[in-house]
Amino acid sequence: EVQLVESGGGLVQPGGSLRLSCAASGFTFSDLYIDWVRQAPGKGLEWVGRTRNKGNNYDTTYAASVKGRFTISRDDSKNTVYLQMNSLKTEDTAVYYCVRALNFAFDYWGQGTLVTVSS
Amino acid sequence: QSALTQPASVSGSPGQSITISCTGTSSDVGIFDLVSWYQQYPGKAPRLMIYEVNKRPSGVSNRFSGSKSANTASLTISGLQAEDEADYYCNSYTPSNTYVFGTGTDVTVL
Repeated sequence: EVQLVESGGGLVQPGGSLRLSCAASGFTFSDLYIDWVRQAPGKGLEWVGRTRNKGNNYDTTYAASVKGRFTISRDDSKNTVYLQMNSLKTEDTAVYYCVRALNFAFDYWGQGTLVTVSS
Repeated sequence: QSALTQPASVSGSPGQSITISCTGTSSDVGIFDLVSWYQQYPGKAPRLMIYEVNKRPSGVSNRFSGSKSANTASLTISGLQAEDEADYYCNSYTPSNTYVFGTGTDVTVL
């Protein structure tokens, strides 16, 4: 069974940093791309970024709204993806989902972890 | 990259068919056949319903179908059921290797 489990969410002050983790199981992690998608309270979905696989040099891509502040990395030995978030803004407050990417779609989602940026 | 445009709400009676539109531009929806659709219940993670415009993942009812014409994609739910009441989001891949979601549609079963 495919599972994605996020952790690391919480309350952080504006300008602060937070690192989210996503532990994956049930599939060959190293073969696939993993993305992050977020959803602000009561709002729609927003794509955050992607880490590609080893075959694609672990290349990353980001949404314009987080580029330069967020960094996605992965550890294939631990089947884990990380989202390092720096210079956080109040508008980054959201539930962050880790998602498996396949066929240019997001076929499995984690349960999400809430990040609240507030003073 | 601006969000794709969806109607805020769509409603229908049980057994009817409804269609949700997703309008983008020639730089996203119109350029690739890489539109996907997601269903989301309140407080839950989204679920993939359609990928590559009109393909259904295993386990998704054949009451759900997708199509695309020019810069607008559509999701049709036929034989509407109470369990279809949820939020629906479209998504498109873009030439800059990013993705853009739609604004979301609240489906109500009357």
